[in-house]
Amino acid sequence: QVQLVESGGGVVQPGTSLRLSCAASGFTFSSYVMYWVRQAPGRGLEWVALISYEESHNYYSDSVKGRFTISRDNSRNTLYLQMNSLRAEDTAVYYCARGGIDGNYFDFWGQGTLVTVSP
Amino acid sequence: EVVMTQSPATLSVSPGERATLSCRASQSVSSKLAWYQQKPGQAPRLLIYGVSTRATGIPARFSGSGSGTEFTLTISSLQSEDFAVYYCQQYNNWYTFGQGTKLEIK
Repeated sequence: QVQLVESGGGVVQPGTSLRLSCAASGFTFSSYVMYWVRQAPGRGLEWVALISYEESHNYYSDSVKGRFTISRDNSRNTLYLQMNSLRAEDTAVYYCARGGIDGNYFDFWGQGTLVTVSP
Repeated sequence: EVVMTQSPATLSVSPGERATLSCRASQSVSSKLAWYQQKPGQAPRLLIYGVSTRATGIPARFSGSGSGTEFTLTISSLQSEDFAVYYCQQYNNWYTFGQGTKLEIK
């Protein structure tokens, strides 16, 4: 079955960096567009970034553009999110999600990893 | 940015009754509309995509309808496991979510 397992979250200070990982299994990872979506505590959902099948196209929300970098290693079935210059407003649970095969909805989600940015 | 507005913010319904959740887009999103269910401490789960197509394993009591800017998620006969927060999402112009509707037991 499809599994997405995020890791790498933690408590960091403002201005520092963190890299999240998402290990995928149960499907042909290289055939799917992948996403990062976040949810601030007690808040709604916010799309963060997407990456195409072969890493040829990456796109970001305005709130993270220039600070975050999405990447993937199809040989390791792993998705990454490099987060630099972290701010308090980046505090959230970060989910990796798989794109639908026939549309850009999110058909499977990982359990999420919490990132807390605090002095 | 396409703003998605859900109503009501909280909906109180008794088990066995019908629940109707609304979602409005600030501009047309064509048929690129999905619904997700989220329970406390869990990741969202895809329920509906393309306005009305149920995702794999989703019971038939969940149905979606609408077009353009007005959409509805209907749960025909509420079960105990359906009480959760529901989000709509458009994927026609990047990706934005509504703020959620909390479906609670009356």
